[in-house]
Amino acid sequence: DQQVKQNSPSLSVQEGRISILNCDYTNSMFDYFLWYKKYPAEGPTFLISISSIKDKNEDGRFTVFLNKSAKHLSLHIVPSQPGDSAVYFCAASAFGAAGNKLTFGGGTRVLVKP
Amino acid sequence: ETGVTQTPRHLVMGMTNKKSLKCEQHLGHNAMYWYKQSAKKPLELMFVYSLEERVENNSVPSRFSPECPNSSHLFLHLHTLQPEDSALYLCASSQDRADGYTFGSGTRLTVV
Repeated sequence: DQQVKQNSPSLSVQEGRISILNCDYTNSMFDYFLWYKKYPAEGPTFLISISSIKDKNEDGRFTVFLNKSAKHLSLHIVPSQPGDSAVYFCAASAFGAAGNKLTFGGGTRVLVKP
Repeated sequence: ETGVTQTPRHLVMGMTNKKSLKCEQHLGHNAMYWYKQSAKKPLELMFVYSLEERVENNSVPSRFSPECPNSSHLFLHLHTLQPEDSALYLCASSQDRADGYTFGSGTRLTVV
């Protein structure tokens, strides 16, 4: 059973508009959440993270929101740029997990149209 | 250059072959991981090594055998694989913070 789910496999957005990616989790032990971005033929790269003690973290055009009661987080990209076209993975970890093990969602493919 | 190097980038092997995937990191990280990414599936954790000791084997079949000779190198030895093992195999390393996870570019494996 998937503990981290990204229910939208793809998203298409116009350049300059907002991209909103969603992620749900089931394991209440998760206390740290991350978003990774992946281009074809490359490994995922870290984008932004949030601790469970916060409900928002912002870094430039990227903002992550966490709703612990709903076990839901989202990534907002504004304004979206063509270079943001990639697959975005949500990931979660639990404090004390051996080797900082990350559990990933299935990914959302984002296409930003010029 | 991501700091984590995986070789080879592509590998085609028969079901009776034996091959190895190599991962190398020079970031000073103390944990290394193997993940598998199959089509339309989430990244699946296979193995975790922390301080060169295997701390997790995520119910991976014995035809996959990891080896971590030192903190900078991680191998995945493959033998008698099945076509359904075809996937992208990603290596990653981290220090103590979860956002220090650095991935390699992966090895695209095809089993014929």
